[in-house]
Amino acid sequence: GIQVEQSPPDLILQEGANSTLRCNFSDSVNNLQWFHQNPWGQLINLFYIPSGTKQNGRLSATTVATERYSLLYISSSQTTDSGVYFCAPRGSSGGSNYKLTFGKGTLLTVNP
Amino acid sequence: EAGVAQSPRYKIIEKRQSVAFWCNPISGHATLYWYQQILGQGPKLLIQFQNNGVVDDSQLPKDRFSAERLKGVDSTLKIQPAKLEDSAVYLCASSSQGAGEKLFFGSGTQLSVL
Repeated sequence: GIQVEQSPPDLILQEGANSTLRCNFSDSVNNLQWFHQNPWGQLINLFYIPSGTKQNGRLSATTVATERYSLLYISSSQTTDSGVYFCAPRGSSGGSNYKLTFGKGTLLTVNP
Repeated sequence: EAGVAQSPRYKIIEKRQSVAFWCNPISGHATLYWYQQILGQGPKLLIQFQNNGVVDDSQLPKDRFSAERLKGVDSTLKIQPAKLEDSAVYLCASSSQGAGEKLFFGSGTQLSVL
């Protein structure tokens, strides 16, 4: 299946700082989603972004499908941004690549 | 709009016992997914339904896990008999093709097998 690598694995920020999370994937994709898992375990869909750039408040995401990576930007971080961020692409080549595959995530801690 | 509903929230059983989880997807969502999330890892797809048909169950341990989605709405996931390594959070998600297959997750069921 498609291989997903997220970096960094852990990130600690002071409130107000900006950050960039990266997701590399091994195959062409037709679907890529970013999720935030809060400290209580709830997974929230942040973006559906198979290509291009989207923005939602302080968060934005960019996927460069031809170069097989996606970036999640968090600006002016807040303590409520803490949690694990997952990238989940779906390969477009079919077979075992077709399922949405989650990376191992980036654990973000925002300190007050 | 109601989200994805799952129950129970927590379950503790002994190994070799059986357990069942229930999921009710967002109204109108044709696709339903069951994921297993082991502590410290990303969710892993166990089974995907499109209406009441199975699209992908390649990672479902079929000797002990079973799932059904009767009438194409709610779904149950069963483990029988449970093993220690089945301790995990079981997440249900649903999506609609009309919304770009964006996944929406339930709160999950945390299973502890002792």
